[in-house]
Amino acid sequence: DADVTQTPRNRITKTGKRIMLECSQTKGHDRMYWYRQDPGLGLRLIYYSFDVKDINKGEISDGYSVSRQAQAKFSLSLESAIPNQTALYFCATSGNRPLTDTQYFGPGTRLTVL
Amino acid sequence: AQTVTQSQPEMSVQEAETVTLSCTYDTSENNYYLFWYKQPPSRQMILVIRQEAYKQQNATENRFSVNFQKAAKSFSLKISDSQLGDTAMYFCASGSGNTGKLIFGQGTTLQVKP
Repeated sequence: DADVTQTPRNRITKTGKRIMLECSQTKGHDRMYWYRQDPGLGLRLIYYSFDVKDINKGEISDGYSVSRQAQAKFSLSLESAIPNQTALYFCATSGNRPLTDTQYFGPGTRLTVL
Repeated sequence: AQTVTQSQPEMSVQEAETVTLSCTYDTSENNYYLFWYKQPPSRQMILVIRQEAYKQQNATENRFSVNFQKAAKSFSLKISDSQLGDTAMYFCASGSGNTGKLIFGQGTTLQVKP
């Protein structure tokens, strides 16, 4: 079984709808991250969390919110989806030692907002 | 602010040949590390190689090696004996030694031709 899972894998929604992307991990990591990938821009950080009570904004947090329900679960919400939020979304996890711990990525969620 | 730049949007190489992908970065942090990730058509993000900035020795992983020039803020990836399975998008990334946040370049699409 995969260490980092994301649901759904693909989603099509309409402008104005609320949508939640979910991430679960079995690696026992404290740190979790949400990134979005756009063509020509690489991946950009949306939010990150060091533990259940420590959540921080990344580069592009406007229009997004997150919830860290447990050590293993980190959800990303779009309260009112808009077309420019169409992108590939990745969840990642790591241990607490950035200089030695690698970030592991989930398989990604392809989101299309019509 | 941290930035990562990959100036080669697309590259191609013949099978069994060697290719080098370029990356430059800028960071204000003293403790940082550098990565190359591979993203095949499956869209999974796969770690290829990592380099701790405090280490002078260039990292090597089988056919993959880096040329890390700290003063020039350059971090290139060399792929030797290219294989068809190396066809993918490659991302260079800089990581914070404090927060673990990754800053990605725009990506280079590599096509290995038979």
